[in-house]
Amino acid sequence: EVQLVQSGVEVKKAGESLRISCKVSGDSFTRSWIAWVRQMPGKGLEWMGIIYPSDSDTRYNPSFRGQVTISADRSISTAYLQWNSLKTSDTAMYYCARESSGFSPALEYWGQGTLVTVSS
Amino acid sequence: SELTQDPDVSVALGQTVRITCQGDSLRSYYASWYQQKPGQAPVVVIFGKNNRPSGIPDRFSGSSSGATASLTITGTQAEDEADYYCNSRDSTATHLFGGGTKLTVL
Repeated sequence: EVQLVQSGVEVKKAGESLRISCKVSGDSFTRSWIAWVRQMPGKGLEWMGIIYPSDSDTRYNPSFRGQVTISADRSISTAYLQWNSLKTSDTAMYYCARESSGFSPALEYWGQGTLVTVSS
Repeated sequence: SELTQDPDVSVALGQTVRITCQGDSLRSYYASWYQQKPGQAPVVVIFGKNNRPSGIPDRFSGSSSGATASLTITGTQAEDEADYYCNSRDSTATHLFGGGTKLTVL
């Protein structure tokens, strides 16, 4: 069974850096795209970007390009979402999700979410 | 490009409801649909032409026509009350979510 387990709750201050993680188990890590999705309090889902761990090919939503960095470590089957300088507006729940294979892929498996709270 | 959903839809218990999603990308790519209940991660309920992951009841179905994708729930149950999001994914692995529809079961 595929499982995505995310790192725990984070409470940070504006200007600090942060990296949250998403560990994948139960299937090949390198052969499926891993996406990151933001959900601000009381709001909808926003696709931030996606990485193909096999070659680290990464795509970003233009709204998030330059604001975050998505990476992956194949040796430990873990994807990361990183900020160099957090803003209070980064307060949100962040989900990782793994795409299914085949034609018309969907975000088939999801992590439990990582709540990030940024104060001023 | 964007995907547009009605923010709120209601349905009587046991009746059929259709939730729609409009966007130019849907002319080229199938939508996938995600159900999210309060405090939980989203769950995919429909993907591709009309595919249900294992464990998703067959009362959920999907369809598409032109720039509009639809999620239909036939015989809606109380546990179907949730937020529903459509999503399209293009050939470059770029995704786009709709704004979401809050489904209320009366």
